[in-house]
Amino acid sequence: LAKTTQPISMDSYEGQEVNITCSHNNIATNDYITWYQQFPSQGPRFIIQGYKTKVTNEVASLFIPADRKSSTLSLPRVSLSDTAVYYCLVGDPIYNQGGKLIFGQGTELSVKP
Amino acid sequence: DADVTQTPRNRITKTGKRIMLECSQTKGHDRMYWYRQDPGLGLRLIYYSFDVKDINKGEISDGYSVSRQAQAKFSLSLESAIPNQTALYFCATSDAGGPKSSYEQYFGPGTRLTVT
Repeated sequence: LAKTTQPISMDSYEGQEVNITCSHNNIATNDYITWYQQFPSQGPRFIIQGYKTKVTNEVASLFIPADRKSSTLSLPRVSLSDTAVYYCLVGDPIYNQGGKLIFGQGTELSVKP
Repeated sequence: DADVTQTPRNRITKTGKRIMLECSQTKGHDRMYWYRQDPGLGLRLIYYSFDVKDINKGEISDGYSVSRQAQAKFSLSLESAIPNQTALYFCATSDAGGPKSSYEQYFGPGTRLTVT
């Protein structure tokens, strides 16, 4: 699985857009990029997944440049409830032993009023 | 009701004791996983199972064993608990894939285990 690098922590204010970038220089052809959110004392929760270009769902957008060596999770207009740890994972969910996930240290996002 | 449940939610045990953590799911998924999380660290995979007859070791399986009693149940055992196994343990499930699958994992609420 590709190694990922994310900022350890980020601060933001309510109503702002937050962008968290993840570096994955050795991403493989079959690898997908997936983001999870974790609140204290809870299990991680899937946010979004993508392979290339841009993916958007009801809670976030994921931007992936053409070389796929990095990706950016974008959270529009964050609120206090978005304070959590965000994990970037890169791997082949199909052939890489069925989606076994390797979590890094994640980015701790703190949203202030 | 929650799709993935874990029992117990909290447990304090003594060094050398055998302990079992249980996980049940109602999502109908074939794949189940056990992770542990230590303060300030991400999750690390202990064991995973792709179906009832398929069990595989993860990154940190030493000191742990598992049992897949049915599609819906996956148990983690610590044969002889030691203090450095104090952690938050998560069970997760995912489907077996397909053209529209994202292999999203669904996590349980966690079991906080303390070994004294």
